[in-house]
Amino acid sequence: AQSVTQLGSHVSVSEGALVLLRCNYSSSVPPYLFWYVQYPNQGLQLLLKYTSAATLVKGINGFEAEFKKSETSFHLTKPSAHMSDAAEYFCAAGEGPGRDGNKLVFGAGTILRVKS
Amino acid sequence: DGGITQSPKYLFRKEGQNVTLSCEQNLNHDAMYWYRQDPGQGLRLIYYSQIVNDFQKGDIAEGYSVSREKKESFPLTVTSAQKNPTAFYLCASSPRGMAGELFFGEGSRLTVL
Repeated sequence: AQSVTQLGSHVSVSEGALVLLRCNYSSSVPPYLFWYVQYPNQGLQLLLKYTSAATLVKGINGFEAEFKKSETSFHLTKPSAHMSDAAEYFCAAGEGPGRDGNKLVFGAGTILRVKS
Repeated sequence: DGGITQSPKYLFRKEGQNVTLSCEQNLNHDAMYWYRQDPGQGLRLIYYSQIVNDFQKGDIAEGYSVSREKKESFPLTVTSAQKNPTAFYLCASSPRGMAGELFFGEGSRLTVL
């Protein structure tokens, strides 16, 4: 079974600094990978997704992630943090097209704090 | 506007009572999902449905039940058999052919007193 590990339950950065949120997956077959963002007391919103095309994926709000098969990683980055980026971020993996293609496994989440 | 509507947003329940959480979508999506969110544990799949009148158990289905009589609706019942029901519940939907791209509602927070 797939699993997703997010390193660091809390990450704190200064406004304008680099954001790096780590995600590793375990799967014998490269899965589809996703990053979602959640603001307090709200649902999740898709930031970006990797579906076996380009390994560097650009998403909304200036975020991007790079799929590295050799490291089984899909870390999320943003060059310059903004106060509005403060939220909880979830990495997720799915098996791709098929009957259960949309059945995602989520990581435990990383809360990003942005200091002024 | 198209989207997913969950109700109620907040719900309090006494132990031993069943409660039903509503989820309605007007996105014309085929698949719908229920996730449970607990602090530090991410999201765990309760039930999902790919088509009307069909649904499958997720990883933590015990103590929950669902129905899918209409494409737009996927209600979740938290029964008295669920030992620890206090949580944030999220409903999601996805269109055919967009593997893994889930659209979420704003959630329902259930507290058992």
